[in-house]
Amino acid sequence: AQSVTQLGSHVSVSEGALVLLRCNYSSSVPPYLFWYVQYPNQGLQLLLKYTSAATLVKGINGFEAEFKKSETSFHLTKPSAHMSDAAEYFCAVTPYTGTASKLTFGTGTRLQVTL
Amino acid sequence: EPEVTQTPSHQVTQMGQEVILRCVPISNHLYFYWYRQILGQKVEFLVSFYNNEISEKSEIFDDQFSVERPDGSNFTLKIRSTKLEDSAMYFCASRTGTGSYEQYFGPGTRLTVT
Repeated sequence: AQSVTQLGSHVSVSEGALVLLRCNYSSSVPPYLFWYVQYPNQGLQLLLKYTSAATLVKGINGFEAEFKKSETSFHLTKPSAHMSDAAEYFCAVTPYTGTASKLTFGTGTRLQVTL
Repeated sequence: EPEVTQTPSHQVTQMGQEVILRCVPISNHLYFYWYRQILGQKVEFLVSFYNNEISEKSEIFDDQFSVERPDGSNFTLKIRSTKLEDSAMYFCASRTGTGSYEQYFGPGTRLTVT
């Protein structure tokens, strides 16, 4: 079984500051991990993915995440926050089983960016 | 860029009525999914569909729910007799399936049961 824990339901940063959104996962098999972003009244947009290649993955809009197996973590970072980054961010896990694997989501972190 | 589309964007229905939520997945994708998000809660898996049959379903997906791919392009979720607790945002997703595990989501249908 898989699960995801996102610490911090709300994170507030100043524009230009570092963004760090935390995600820890639990998986009985090697996982594939994803970050999705949801802007108000919109669907889920894929930010980046880890699929067992490089442990540091880069995504859209300047975001990146590092897979750390020893810490079972996949934290999302961005060096400098922009007002347009304000949204809800979801971490998700799926097992690499070769079948039609479902995504298991965390509870989400709402990012607020202030001037 | 291809995208998943969903209709309607908002559906209001009375308790006990049947609703059909519609999705058009990305055309070369092989796996299809429905998820739901109750207001203020996390996104939950409902069902996955591959090769014209359900491949996995959650405990939420009881006999009141069904899915269908009627014509090779649409993918529908039917709720036979809606309950108040079915009120949620329903997301359709699809993926290619050939060595790729990322799912692409539609904009969602907000279902309100009164």
